[in-house]
Amino acid sequence: SQKIEQNSEALNIQEGKTATLTCNYTNYSPAYLQWYRQDPGRGPVFLLLIRENEKEKRKERLKVTFDTTLKQSLFHITASQPADSATYLCALARGFQKLVFGTGTRLLVSP
Amino acid sequence: EADIYQTPRYLVIGTGKKITLECSQTMGHDKMYWYQQDPGMELHLIHYSYGVNSTEKGDLSSESTVSRIRTEHFPLTLESARPSHTSQYLCASSDQRETDTQYFGPGTRLTVL
Repeated sequence: SQKIEQNSEALNIQEGKTATLTCNYTNYSPAYLQWYRQDPGRGPVFLLLIRENEKEKRKERLKVTFDTTLKQSLFHITASQPADSATYLCALARGFQKLVFGTGTRLLVSP
Repeated sequence: EADIYQTPRYLVIGTGKKITLECSQTMGHDKMYWYQQDPGMELHLIHYSYGVNSTEKGDLSSESTVSRIRTEHFPLTLESARPSHTSQYLCASSDQRETDTQYFGPGTRLTVL
């Protein structure tokens, strides 16, 4: 069956370090993968999209990689700040299929 | 910035009441979605629509119903609320011409006593 896996355990890091979150998928061939940020009690907010023919995408302190051979995406936040603390969701789809969301990983950045 | 609105933001209601959660978007998006999410848990798709007069059930079975009479409006109705319906309900919309990037509303936190 199709599955998207994100680490269910919270990731705790120190301010200024790079946070790396993982999204693995099985039995999918997504055309693109997206990352969202969700704060407690609020709706997710779109951050970045990467297509299957792209290896890496950057936006300010954010970097996403997409390895279709490993069926994995890595999401990096460099120079992390306490304000980056949130839950990060990956989501993927192909063509006109609706987006499927992962369970999310909670990131905690300590001052 | 996404222009998608949900009302009410918070609702506390007694068992057996009929409720309607409102969702409106001003972006002209064809696709709209309703998700249910408990605190700290994953998003569950309960309904979606690809346009006016189109509604489909999502991956999670729900006793709620939806309608799509106008492009910008996608209300969700519970005919008889129960404590098991207590949850956060998130509405989202997407531009079908793009990559299904979804824009979420602020959510409605529903508590059924």
